[in-house]
Amino acid sequence: GIQVEQSPPDLILQEGANSTLRCNFSDSVNNLQWFHQNPWGQLINLFYIPSGTKQNGRLSATTVATERYSLLYISSSQTTDSGVYFCAVGDYNQGGKLIFGQGTELSVKP
Amino acid sequence: GAVVSQHPSRVICKSGTSVKIECRSLDFQATTMFWYRQFPKQSLMLMATSNEGSKATYEQGVEKDKFLINHASLTLSTLTVTSAHPEDSSFYICSARGQGVIGNTIYFGEGSWLTVV
Repeated sequence: GIQVEQSPPDLILQEGANSTLRCNFSDSVNNLQWFHQNPWGQLINLFYIPSGTKQNGRLSATTVATERYSLLYISSSQTTDSGVYFCAVGDYNQGGKLIFGQGTELSVKP
Repeated sequence: GAVVSQHPSRVICKSGTSVKIECRSLDFQATTMFWYRQFPKQSLMLMATSNEGSKATYEQGVEKDKFLINHASLTLSTLTVTSAHPEDSSFYICSARGQGVIGNTIYFGEGSWLTVV
């Protein structure tokens, strides 16, 4: 099956700093989503980005499907950005299920 | 945006009893729903794919007789943990794939915390 690797596993930032999270995947996919899981467990859908670049406020994401990786950029980080960021990939030809990476745990210090 | 709702959000049950978790798509029809389990400090692991009107497809290593899934309508899937044991304590979360105008994004419910005592 598809393997998904995220890096780094942990990241500590000072408020205001920028960061880049990476997601590598082992096979062709037609679905890639980035999520933020808050301390209560809720998964917040950040981006649906199987290819290309998208921006939403301080967050942006780029997926290079031919090279099988995606990047999530967080600029001017805030303490509320803390939590776990997951990358999940899938193939609609196989039913649409998502396979999650192990996540990056981000801690933003004031 | 599309909304998926889970109930209950938290449940405590005694060892040996069964507990049911509901997953509803509130504003779209979901022919396919997915159930995940997440242990503390770990990632989400897919348990099964729930298909409306047919049997669920379970991932390798997931006991289908223990985790009963029913997808009786286009807006509701249920997961029943039978004869629950403390090791079944976990965060269970469902997701749904929309159709038509909703597009291809997968939407997740709020999750359900299960504690078996």
